[in-house]
Amino acid sequence: ETGVTQSPTHLIKTRGQQVTLRCSSQSGHNTVSWYQQALGQGPQFIFQYYREEENGRGNFPPRFSGLQFPNYSSELNVNALELDDSALYLCASSRDYNDYNSPLHFGNGTRLTVT
Amino acid sequence: DQQVKQNSPSLSVQEGRISILNCDYTNSMFDYFLWYKKYPAEGPTFLISISSIKDKNEDGRFTVFLNKSAKHLSLHIVPSQPGDSAVYFCAATGANSKLTFGKGITLSVRP
Repeated sequence: ETGVTQSPTHLIKTRGQQVTLRCSSQSGHNTVSWYQQALGQGPQFIFQYYREEENGRGNFPPRFSGLQFPNYSSELNVNALELDDSALYLCASSRDYNDYNSPLHFGNGTRLTVT
Repeated sequence: DQQVKQNSPSLSVQEGRISILNCDYTNSMFDYFLWYKKYPAEGPTFLISISSIKDKNEDGRFTVFLNKSAKHLSLHIVPSQPGDSAVYFCAATGANSKLTFGKGITLSVRP
């Protein structure tokens, strides 16, 4: 069983640029969630996708957007990067967003640095 | 406004002894609670969970206790092992299924 994989592992961008992060969900999982973890903080919910539709969003501006594809893989796009966007971006998948017996399985994250 | 609080940033215990990690929450709508463990350069790994209809859940060396009236939960690890050294996150969720995490606590288990 393949776990959640994220790419790239590290990325350095300049303020104002755009970035796309990618995530492959675990086999059999149809729900993907994205979290931002700033240094010294816990992960913060960005948004969730269920069967290719956005299914909930946290307190992040519209320049954070996402997609889920028919194979349930996902992308996180961030436009007009700001220095505060520097963080570890975590993708997590689960069997079904409504199933409490299906906890989130996280990837190892993408470390984004904005200079 | 932090809805899930882990007030101690770190904990150090001797191998073989009990580790008790605490977590408080403020949102009464939370009905499911989870603990995740995170090693450096890895994503968080699910450890154990508890529903609000229970007050205790046990899985091997790990036990989670929930006190709804106090809005408090704790994770007990016994006996603690050096491999348990990691950052532990408490998380909570409600009807919207998104997880709200605490800031985490760094556990160090001394051999």
